[in-house]
Amino acid sequence: GAGVSQSPSNKVTEKGKDVELRCDPISGHTALYWYRQSLGQGLEFLIYFQGNSAPDKSGLPSDRFSAERTGGSVSTLTIQRTQQEDSAVYLCASSGVGADTQYFGPGTRLTVL
Amino acid sequence: KQEVTQIPAALSVPEGENLVLNCSFTDSAIYNLQWFRQDPGKGLTSLLLIQSSQREQTSGRLNASLDKSSGRSTLYIAASQPGDSATYLCAVRTGTYKYIFGTGTRLKVLA
Repeated sequence: GAGVSQSPSNKVTEKGKDVELRCDPISGHTALYWYRQSLGQGLEFLIYFQGNSAPDKSGLPSDRFSAERTGGSVSTLTIQRTQQEDSAVYLCASSGVGADTQYFGPGTRLTVL
Repeated sequence: KQEVTQIPAALSVPEGENLVLNCSFTDSAIYNLQWFRQDPGKGLTSLLLIQSSQREQTSGRLNASLDKSSGRSTLYIAASQPGDSATYLCAVRTGTYKYIFGTGTRLKVLA
């Protein structure tokens, strides 16, 4: 079956531009996570969505970062006025109701010049 | 604050060797611990999940153990193969949904 998909796979942008990263979770999965993986670092939690509940945004590093999840399915992570330190791989994961296992997408590699 | 450390950061072994990857965490109040594999340019794949009440889990050539009181987990890989080359990450679940990840061990198995 289809796994978690993310688009684009690579994004190169100039400092100061806005970018949108998309995540399509596994159908029926109610939980969705965004993580950031910088070079040589572990995964950094950004945001968590669960069904129709208010998301946990506690991991977002600044107010330039925001995320939405429409219809309990597709999610978009938006970074405004990108900075060079935003360069990283952004990973999305989803999991089913009451499930512990997270299924990860392939990630979006963001490079800010 | 929970911190997860993985040692070594990188490991290179000849094919056929048995090996152990280590993961330590500072707060023993965890719900579970997972080991993941990450191949270059790809996302993470879950290998083994150990609930806090369990001591170990096995899948094929992989065996993961958990000692919650000492804040340690090990991933044992038997008879390593070149296809096992990847980065291995451990993650602890600290609440109802939050996971804290280690920085990983980059494994290379030489043919």
